Amino acid sequence: AQSVSQHNHHVILSEAASLELGCNYSYGGTVNLFWYVQYPGQHLQLLLKYFSGDPLVKGIKGFEAEFIKSKFSFNLRKPSVQWSDTAEYFCAVNAFSGGYNKLIFGAGTRLAVHP
Amino acid sequence: DAGVTQSPTHLIKTRGQQVTLRCSPKSGHDTVSWYQQALGQGPQFIFQYYEEEERQRGNFPDRFSGHQFPNYSSELNVNALLLGDSALYLCASSPPQGRGEQFFGPGTRLTVL
Repeated sequence: AQSVSQHNHHVILSEAASLELGCNYSYGGTVNLFWYVQYPGQHLQLLLKYFSGDPLVKGIKGFEAEFIKSKFSFNLRKPSVQWSDTAEYFCAVNAFSGGYNKLIFGAGTRLAVHP
Repeated sequence: DAGVTQSPTHLIKTRGQQVTLRCSPKSGHDTVSWYQQALGQGPQFIFQYYEEEERQRGNFPDRFSGHQFPNYSSELNVNALLLGDSALYLCASSPPQGRGEQFFGPGTRLTVL
């Protein structure tokens, strides 16, 4: 069965620290990969996406993610976090099946950034 | 350009009742997906509608049903509510010929007492 694993459920960082959130997926076929963010009191927003090409993708607010096909991973990174990055982060895989698609989400990582 | 909208924002029901949640997709989008997000978990795919038909379904019982209208808006119906149905229900829309990117609404918080 298709699944997405996010290794860190809770992460606490100080401002200016570097961030890396792990994401691994289980699916052998064609996938598109996404990171969504949910700020407190707001709805899910797309942070970045990978379809094909350069495995290092850049998103909004200084976030980037690297797709490593051999490791089935799509880790999210940010060199220097800010207090405003406090949010919950979800990795998602769009697994194509029978010509249709659905998003499979990880359990999420709750990030708290302290000033 | 309005994004995905959902109504109502919050809903409280008792066990055994039925509920209908509504979603209007982002302008230009023709596919609507529904997700259930329980507390502390990631969204779980319920089903997807395209051209007024359910074309894919997740691991949810038949108590969960839906509909898509000609204007692409959609409803999620849940019958015989259980306490475990308490969750945030998210609607997401995607454009024609999309590559899987989905745009989410704010959700409907359902509480079953």
